[in-house]
Amino acid sequence: DAGVIQSPRHEVTEMGQEVTLRCKPISGHNSLFWYRQTMMRGLELLIYFNNNVPIDDSGMPEDRFSAKMPNASFSTLKIQPSEPRDSAVYFCASRQPFRTGGYTGELFFGEGSRLTVL
Amino acid sequence: AQRVTQPEKLLSVFKGAPVELKCNYSYSGSPELFWYVQYSRQRLQLLLRHISRESIKGFTADLNKGETSFHLKKPFAQEEDSAMYYCALSHFSGNTGKLIFGQGTTLQVKP
Repeated sequence: DAGVIQSPRHEVTEMGQEVTLRCKPISGHNSLFWYRQTMMRGLELLIYFNNNVPIDDSGMPEDRFSAKMPNASFSTLKIQPSEPRDSAVYFCASRQPFRTGGYTGELFFGEGSRLTVL
Repeated sequence: AQRVTQPEKLLSVFKGAPVELKCNYSYSGSPELFWYVQYSRQRLQLLLRHISRESIKGFTADLNKGETSFHLKKPFAQEEDSAMYYCALSHFSGNTGKLIFGQGTTLQVKP
């Protein structure tokens, strides 16, 4: 398996433009997470899905951000319209099915999408 | 509320010196804690988890519930340990759970 795959790796756009980030989780994993990494705040959880259903989107900054997971092998994070303060590295991570009573499984991360909004 | 705090953004030590990366947490239940590491140009990856009580690459971390801490330690730092380290807390909800990360600490090991 190639691991979690994210695209694009780098995106430079102008303020006001729509940005779409994509993620393909590891096959067989049923949880998917979107994180944002900045120097000031570290890794912030934006949203996570379990079996393609959004479970917790409390970390999504505002209505400009939206995320979807139409099937088990694909997710998108969209920012519309983008602003300079959205500049960050966005990570996607996936995890295998959670075993009740067992420990939380390991998260496997993609290489990240570095977004720069001018 | 669940929270993870890493008070140091940057820790710089010389090769061979002891290292301690601090992590404090706030959690109402029984915590499950992890350390993740991101080496230069590599993906973020799991370093160790507290339930395993293992030593990975010479690093250990002990959960101290009284002090709500999970500090990462290594007796003798190596240059290849230079990386960004994140402490993380698992928050369970039903049949799933999320991972909450701290702000991260950059470890710089000088020759």
